[in-house]
Amino acid sequence: AQSVAQPEDQVNVAEGNPLTVKCTYSVSGNPYLFWYVQYPNRGLQFLLKYITGDNLVKGSYGFEAEFNKSQTSFHLKKPSALVSDSALYFCAVRDPLSGGYQKVTFGIGTKLQVIP
Amino acid sequence: KAGVTQTPRYLIKTRGQQVTLSCSPISGHRSVSWYQQTPGQGLQFLFEYFSETQRNKGNFPGRFSGRQFSNSRSEMNVSTLELGDSALYLCASSQPRDRGAGELFFGEGSRLTVL
Repeated sequence: AQSVAQPEDQVNVAEGNPLTVKCTYSVSGNPYLFWYVQYPNRGLQFLLKYITGDNLVKGSYGFEAEFNKSQTSFHLKKPSALVSDSALYFCAVRDPLSGGYQKVTFGIGTKLQVIP
Repeated sequence: KAGVTQTPRYLIKTRGQQVTLSCSPISGHRSVSWYQQTPGQGLQFLFEYFSETQRNKGNFPGRFSGRQFSNSRSEMNVSTLELGDSALYLCASSQPRDRGAGELFFGEGSRLTVL
């Protein structure tokens, strides 16, 4: 079974400050990890993913995430937050051994509020 | 290239009715999946289709069903609607050749309200 935890319902950060949105996961094998963002009344948009290789992954809009296998974490980071980054962020995991290609487990979501 | 298209965007039904939602994937994408999003439960996986075959199914009652057509378009149906079925239903497509390593491309969703 695969699962994802996002321990914070909401993260508040001042504009220009660095931001971190936390994610931990549980899978039986090596995970495929993803971050998605959702703006109000819209679908989810892909930000970045970790499949294999370098633990630091860079994605869209200046976001990056670090895969930490020992801590089973995949935290999303950005050096300098923008007000336009305010949205709902979802961490997701897929176990390659689970069968099918799209059975992805999503976290509950973390609302990011960037304060001007 | 056009994105994932879901119709209708909004709909209101009453308890006991049934509803059919439609999804057109990105051209060339043959895998389609459906998710239910609610404030309390987040995104819950409903089912996945590839080449008109259901490849995976989530933990939902049999009232929830789906299908995929030869042109990869997909529909999901919910029968005997309950108040708890009120949610945003999201469709996603992807390239199957990525074998699960590729990202999902989501539509804007169909917001169902059950009264």
